[in-house]
Amino acid sequence: DVKVTQSSRYLVKRTGEKVFLECVQDMDHENMFWYRQDPGLGLRLIYFSYDVKMKEKGDIPEGYSVSREKKERFSLILESASTNQTSMYLCASSTSLATQYFGPGTRLTVL
Amino acid sequence: LAKTTQPISMDSYEGQEVNITCSHNNIATNDYITWYQQFPSQGPRFIIQGYKTKVTNEVASLFIPADRKSSTLSLPRVSLSDTAVYYCLVGDRSSSNTGKLIFGQGTTLQVKP
Repeated sequence: DVKVTQSSRYLVKRTGEKVFLECVQDMDHENMFWYRQDPGLGLRLIYFSYDVKMKEKGDIPEGYSVSREKKERFSLILESASTNQTSMYLCASSTSLATQYFGPGTRLTVL
Repeated sequence: LAKTTQPISMDSYEGQEVNITCSHNNIATNDYITWYQQFPSQGPRFIIQGYKTKVTNEVASLFIPADRKSSTLSLPRVSLSDTAVYYCLVGDRSSSNTGKLIFGQGTTLQVKP
């Protein structure tokens, strides 16, 4: 079974803090994704990566950056957390874009 | 990218068959249709994928008409544990495609006892 793990299930941070969300997959997938999910808005793509050190912006990249130094790890960085970044963050990986495997999610609260 | 349209919510009772239809009028030749299931506080889970006609696995069936402009996810004899949000996605499955998938709001299925 494909396994996608995220570093934390729940995280509480303060406004202005730098926040790192880590995602690791164990199936040697080329593609990795970061989404956020908010009530009434569904899943929205923040960034994705199709290879090591490669990244592309999704629909809502503002306020976020990403890092992919190794194939199995994809990090989402909030440079200066704000309250409107309180959300559920979901990481996914895939070999093809139509079949993505998701992690359990990180519920981030920014106070 | 093909946009999808599906009902916001559906109700059913235990033991019934549930059919959720998704409209994707602008589907491209290389696009596949994929359905995901999401329980509260969990990430979405892949349940079925198809290109045309009918696909069946241990969880669900997927019916796709010849024009491929819509698809229907069929869940046989649902139970309370099938209460979840179901997403329909359309996308190119080739590994060279670095495009994006669009997750809509999905269909919230509520199964009642």
